This record gives sequence, structure tokens and C-alpha cells, in this order.
Amino acid sequence: KNQVEQSPQSLIILEGKNCTLQCNYTVSPFSNLRWYKQDTGRGPVSLTIMTFSENTKSNGRYTATLDADTKQSSLHITASQLSDSASYICVVRRQTGANNLFFGTGTRLTVIP
Amino acid sequence: TAGITQAPTSQILAAGRSMTLRCTQDMRHNAMYWYRQDLGLGLRLIHYSNTAGTTGKGEVPDGYSVSRANTDDFPLTLASAVPSQTSVYFCASSDTSGGLSEQFFGPGTRLTVL
Repeated sequence: KNQVEQSPQSLIILEGKNCTLQCNYTVSPFSNLRWYKQDTGRGPVSLTIMTFSENTKSNGRYTATLDADTKQSSLHITASQLSDSASYICVVRRQTGANNLFFGTGTRLTVIP
Repeated sequence: TAGITQAPTSQILAAGRSMTLRCTQDMRHNAMYWYRQDLGLGLRLIHYSNTAGTTGKGEVPDGYSVSRANTDDFPLTLASAVPSQTSVYFCASSDTSGGLSEQFFGPGTRLTVL
């Protein structure tokens, strides 16, 4: 069964601290994995995309990693800011099939001053 | 550039009534999607359209219908609303329906069915 699981479900950290969000998937055959950020009351916005051959990719203070062998991805946030408070959603695309996107339920991050 | 817009922002609807959620994009994207987002369940695909004139069923299509008469618009209709359709609805679009294409999401419509 194609699934995407994220952990933790929620996280509270102090401003300036780092954190890492996890995404494990069983989607196969794998095409790519995308991390989205969803602010409260808004639609998700893409942060980064990881393909099979990519191990790590950075977008400012966000760094995503992918281990295609273990089917795991992480999103590391460095020097967190209050504006990082949001839900972070992992989305995995399968190579085949009409409905080929599989969504995680997200990690709710709260950054406190 | 507006990107992708949805209307209304929120709505309270009596059970049994019909309603159409509107979605318009100005990016000339071929593919469009409707999702619902419920607490603890994440985003679930309702219907999609890979190109104007075609539509397909997603994971949770029952009780919903869509049409794609042109590239820009993708309305979602609830023919007879039920309380279980209370949710936040997101419309999205992408240049193509596969590969590395990124989905761009609208701001959402919060629907409450009483």
C-alpha cells in the first residue's frame, strides 16, 4: 500500500533553534518527493523537490535530504524564526497511475519567542 | 499576477442545499485539482482535470462533481450537501499532470454544512 508517514505530528521549539522533520514513505515506484509549507489559513507552498538521484538540497534555511534506499526524507530548519510556524507536508509522487500523488498528514511546527 | 483564486472564502450551508465552489487560475496551467483537507487526514484528492475538456475521479469523489469547460476555470459542485462535507477545500493547478510539475494551491474555501 502506498503511504506517506510524517513525524512528529507536532513540534514546539524556541526561536533560533534548529529542528528536523521526518517523512517515511512506501510509495513505489518512486518518482520524486516534495516538501510543502502551509501557513495557517493558506494553501500549501512548495519548498523543495527531491528526485531519486538527489541526496540533499537547500533552500535558504531549509535543507531537505532523501535516502531512496530506506525511503526516508527529512526537512531540517536552521535558526528557526517565528515565521517558520506552519504545517510542513511531505508529498511523494509515484511514477505511474492517474492519481499518483500521496500526501502525508503534516507536521505542525510552532516557533515561540 | 493573481495565480489561483477561490471563491467564496468561507460558507455556511444547510444540509441538502447545493453549492458551487469556484476556482480560477491565470497561469495557463493544463492540470487542475480539487482537494479537501480535514484535521488529521491531510489533503485528499476529490477530482482532477489533466486538460480542458477532461476530468477524472480522485480518492474521495462521491457527492462532488466538476467540469472543465476551459483552461482557467474548474468549479466544484456539491449537489446535495451533507455534514460530512464540512471541510476546507483547496483548488490547485500545475503546468502538467506528472513528472516534476509543481502544484500551486489556492487560498482555500472553508465550508460548513449544518
